[in-house]
Parts: sequence; C-alpha cells; structure tokens
Amino acid sequence: DADVTQTPRNRITKTGKRIMLECSQTKGHDRMYWYRQDPGLGLQLIYYSFDVKDINKGEISDGYSVSRQAQAKFSLSLESAIPNQTALYFCATSDRTSTDTQYFGPGTRLTVL
Amino acid sequence: QKEVEQDPGPLSVPEGAIVSLNCTYSNSAFQYFMWYRQYSRKGPELLMYTYSSGNKEDGRFTAQVDKSSKYISLFIRDSQPSDSATYLCAMCNQAGTALIFGKGTTLSVSS
Repeated sequence: DADVTQTPRNRITKTGKRIMLECSQTKGHDRMYWYRQDPGLGLQLIYYSFDVKDINKGEISDGYSVSRQAQAKFSLSLESAIPNQTALYFCATSDRTSTDTQYFGPGTRLTVL
Repeated sequence: QKEVEQDPGPLSVPEGAIVSLNCTYSNSAFQYFMWYRQYSRKGPELLMYTYSSGNKEDGRFTAQVDKSSKYISLFIRDSQPSDSATYLCAMCNQAGTALIFGKGTTLSVSS
C-alpha cells in the first residue's frame, strides 16, 4: 500500500463550488504539505503543517484553506473554486528529523470549469 | 526574480550521453539542496540530497553545490531511456522549513 494517499485522484467541478482534497499518510510523519503544480511553474507551496496544532501559509495560500484533522490526515479546501485553480495538487510529508526529505503522494488532478 | 531559477527545457539526448541539469538561486542562506525526479503522472521522489557545498555521487548521478556562485548541478552519466522524467531542484535554509522548488527540467533520453 502507498505511504501517502490522496483522494480523489481526479475531479472536475464548476466555478463557485466548494471542494475538498484529502491526504492520508501511514509514514508516521509529523509534517505535511500541500503544493500545486502548473505547467512551467513547478511546485508552489500552498500550506504546511508541522504538527496537528500548527498551520502555516505558503507562497500561494489565497483562495485555499486547510485542516489537520489528525497526525495522519491533512485536507485542502477550495471554498469557492475558480478556473485558475485548475492544476495538479500534491500532498507531501516529512519527518521532523529530516524535513529536507519530503515524500509525495500521487497527486490530484483538479479541473474547474 | 524567483528565489530559485531552473531552465524548463525540454532537453533531449541520445542514450549514453552525459546530462547536466542546473539551478541558480538568490538566497545565500540556503544550506540544504535536493534533486527530485518526477515521472509522468507521478509525484516527485527524492533523488539526491546535499548539505552545504561540495559533491555527492550515487551510481550514475552526481550532485554538485557551489555556494559561492549560488549554483547547483545534477550530472547523469550513461543516460538511459528510464531517466526520461522531469527533474526538480529544491532547497531550504535550515531543517524545519519548507522547501523552495525550481520549475523543473524535462529530460527525454532516446534509445
């Protein structure tokens, strides 16, 4: 079984809809991250969490919110989706003793019409 | 100017060629440098990790860091078609902070 899982893997939604992307990990890591990837722009950090009670904004947090429900679960919400949020979204985890090594999930392809 | 610059390519080489991938950065506080490899429709996976300046070798892969020039490189010797992927550089200033990624370079190795 995969160590970092993301659901759904693909999602098509309409402008203005609320959508949640979920991430679960079995690696026992404290730290979790959400990135989006757009062609030609690389990975951009949306939010990150170093433990259950810690939430930090990344470089592109506007329009997004997150919830760290447990050590193993970190969800990303788009309260009112817009077309320029169409992208590939990745969740990642790292251990507090080795935060430079991040382990990525398989990604969620989101399309906002 | 972004903190990390990486030429997106694409880069096409024949099998067996030596490949050089590079990133430049502007933040002199960066100390940890990584290369991730991402296959199509997959998440990135860590390929090489270097702390501060110097070289690190792992099989056909060599990572180099030149902090004086704010320049990092990944060399791939005897490239194989299975090396075809997008390579992303990443870095941070200290353990415990989030990584800053380059845009990624797409590499294609033809047999």
